Amino acid sequence: GENVEQHPSTLSVQEGDSAVIKCTYSDSASNYFPWYKQELGKGPQLIIDIRSNVGEKKDQRIAVTLNKTAKHFSLHITETQPEDSAVYFCAAKDFGNEKLTFGTGTRLTIIP
Amino acid sequence: DTEVTQTPKHLVMGMTNKKSLKCEQHMGHRAMYWYKQKAKKPPELMFVYSYEKLSINESVPSRFSPECPNSSLLNLHLHALQPEDSALYLCASSQGGQGRALHFGNGTRLTVT
Repeated sequence: GENVEQHPSTLSVQEGDSAVIKCTYSDSASNYFPWYKQELGKGPQLIIDIRSNVGEKKDQRIAVTLNKTAKHFSLHITETQPEDSAVYFCAAKDFGNEKLTFGTGTRLTIIP
Repeated sequence: DTEVTQTPKHLVMGMTNKKSLKCEQHMGHRAMYWYKQKAKKPPELMFVYSYEKLSINESVPSRFSPECPNSSLLNLHLHALQPEDSALYLCASSQGGQGRALHFGNGTRLTVT
């Protein structure tokens, strides 16, 4: 089955600086890669996703890049704000499989 | 606010109790999921329903019994749980198919005493 590794496990960033979280996956059949943000006491919220036919996707301050050859994908948050503080999970699945495999999570703290 | 509604938000139950968790979505999604999340860990898949039929059971103990009465509702019946079953139980829904995102509820925080 799919295995997703995520680094770092914790990340502290000065407000206004950029944050980068990286994930690698094992199953070459995976072709859908979402990122979730989970705040305390809430469920995971989808913030951005990317499909394997695209190398990069951007939505305002958030961007995701995908390198299918190396089997890794990354989340980039620019101009970080205190409300970006949360746990972020990457995930991977293939289109024919209902199972979404999550990475181990990154606790992001934005320092005011 | 999430479009997937879970009730109750918190539940405390004894090991001999029977209780149920409920999940509802009105987005017309055809797939619904139960996940279990322990503290500081990622969500772990338990069950998937596709078109109201159970399509995935991740070898979950029989003390957890899922039910999908219709395309909008998903239940998780609990019986004879153990303290190690204490966790956040998350429901999610999806349109399914190619690369469709999962939408999660805010979960039920379950404590087994």
